[in-house]
Formats: sequence, structure tokens, C-alpha cells
Amino acid sequence: DAGVIQSPRHEVTEMGQEVTLRCKPISGHNSLFWYRQTMMRGLELLIYFNNNVPIDDSGMPEDRFSAKMPNASFSTLKIQPSEPRDSAVYFCASSFTGGTYNEQFFGPGTRLTVL
Amino acid sequence: AQSVTQLGSHVSVSEGALVLLRCNYSSSVPPYLFWYVQYPNQGLQLLLKYTSAATLVKGINGFEAEFKKSETSFHLTKPSAHMSDAAEYFCAVSVVTDSWGKLQFGAGTQVVVTP
Repeated sequence: DAGVIQSPRHEVTEMGQEVTLRCKPISGHNSLFWYRQTMMRGLELLIYFNNNVPIDDSGMPEDRFSAKMPNASFSTLKIQPSEPRDSAVYFCASSFTGGTYNEQFFGPGTRLTVL
Repeated sequence: AQSVTQLGSHVSVSEGALVLLRCNYSSSVPPYLFWYVQYPNQGLQLLLKYTSAATLVKGINGFEAEFKKSETSFHLTKPSAHMSDAAEYFCAVSVVTDSWGKLQFGAGTQVVVTP
């Protein structure tokens, strides 16, 4: 299994630009999570989906952030417009919640730098 | 609601010495407990998990953790530290009643291994 795939691995953009981060979960997993990690705030859960439906987006910091999961094998996290304080590493994780133990599998992350 | 507290944001150990990372949890229902490791510039990787079977859980890279219900603890240990153990370690908790697979992560403990 290829694991959770995220793209791009690195993104450098200028303030005000739109940024789209992509995630492909592990095949067969039915929950998907987006996290943000910074030195100051640590690991933060932004939003999570179950069976492609957003369950809780209370962690999304502002309306500039949006996430979609159009099908079981793809999700996006969009920031529009981006700001320097959005610079962080963004992780996607997936899990199967159906008789297992909620173990999450993480992708390698996207390091976002907003200038 | 469940929560996790990791004691010590930074731990320094000598190569060959015991590694002990502390984790205490709070949960009103039986928990699932996890330890994840994050190496520099990588995503989180599962070290081990407690799922209500054996209270002493062995994981990868020589790590183990013991679930102690009376102390609400799930401390991580390794008898002899190796330079390659330098990383950040996260304790996480989930519960069987959570249908979405959400994990509550601790703040993390950065481990430095000195020669």
C-alpha cells in the first residue's frame, strides 16, 4: 500500500494567492483528517470527514480555509487568500472506523510558506 | 470528552540510557491509546497502540508502553536510547464510542539523544 499521499510536498507562495493542498487517503479508509502543525501551536485538527461528509470543521481557523472531499480517494484543503501566518506543515491522515481501533495513518505533510 | 497530558516538552537522554516519556489520559469510557513518533521533516508514524488486550504493549524500534488504569497512565519506555531515537513523540487517545475515529493528541515531547 502506498500510504497516504499528499501533494505538493512543499509550496511557497505570496500573500494573497490561493493555495490548494491535496490528499489521497489509503484505499478502504472511511475517515480523513486535516491537521496543521506549527512551532507555536503544535498539532491542530482542522477538519475531518467520514464517508466523504464533513463532520466537524470547528478547527478551521477562518473562512479563508475550506476543505472538500468529493470522493473516497481525494480531498483538498484550500486557503484563499493566503497570509504569512498560514505558514505551517499541513498533514492529512486517514483511518478505518468500523471495528478497528481508530488508528490514523499520516501522510508526509505539505510544508507551506507564505511570503 | 477525553484528553491527554504529556509531562515534559523536552527530554534529553544519553545514548544507551533509559528513555521514559510520560503520558496521562482522561476518559470517561475505556480508551484506546497510541504513541506516535515524528522524525524531522516527516509525518507521524505509529509506534504502538493499546486496545484493551495486554496492558504491556510492545512497539517498533524497541519501545514499549504499559497501560495502568489506576494511574490513568500510558508511559513510553525504551531500555537503551539510540541516536536514531531523536524525534518528537506524541501520545494520543481515542474511545470506542467515537464513530469518527478522532484522536486527541498530547502536546508532544521532543527527545534529544546525546553521545
